[in-house]
Amino acid sequence: AQSVTQPDARVTVSEGASLQLRCKYSSSGTPYLFWYVQYPRQGLQLLLKYYSGDPVVQGVNGFEAEFSKSNSSFHLRKASVHWSDSAVYFCVLSGGNTGGLSGKLTFGEGTQVTVIS
Amino acid sequence: DPKIIQKPKYLVAVTGSEKILICEQYLGHNAMYWYRQSAKKPLEFMFSYSYQKLMDNQTASSRFQPQSSKKNHLDLQITALKPDDSATYFCASSQPGLDYAEQFFGPGTRLTVL
Repeated sequence: AQSVTQPDARVTVSEGASLQLRCKYSSSGTPYLFWYVQYPRQGLQLLLKYYSGDPVVQGVNGFEAEFSKSNSSFHLRKASVHWSDSAVYFCVLSGGNTGGLSGKLTFGEGTQVTVIS
Repeated sequence: DPKIIQKPKYLVAVTGSEKILICEQYLGHNAMYWYRQSAKKPLEFMFSYSYQKLMDNQTASSRFQPQSSKKNHLDLQITALKPDDSATYFCASSQPGLDYAEQFFGPGTRLTVL
């Protein structure tokens, strides 16, 4: 069975400070990993995705994530946050043993990020 | 212009009634999905459709029935509504057959069952 764990339910960070959100995954096959963001009262938007190659992937708005197969992790980082980064961030897993037929995404619980001035 | 339209945005229903949640996508995708976001739970996958055919159903209850009348439509009919069905329901779409394909999400329909 596939699963995603985000150990931090809430993170508060000062504007201009760095941000790291943790994500651990469990997958029986090749993992395809995503970070999505949900702004208040909106749908989900893709920040970045990883499916092969360089373990560090760049996303929108200065976000990047690092994949580690040995640690089963896909942590998200941003060097300097802005107040507009306040949102819920979801680590998401696809693939594994579905053979590409299902398209099922498995979501972590989400991390609520609050940026304070 | 919104690429995935979900209607209505908010919905209030009484226990035992039936409702249909509408989803239309204008991204030219051939795969569509439904997810549910309940309070204090992660988003849960419900259904996936590819070329208007059901690919995966992770919903335990037959009260939830997707309906695909057109290639770019995937509505969700919910019968015999219960208070536990209260959640925000998200429709998504992507190109089919690629687990790494980005899924685009609609704005959601927030359902409250009294």
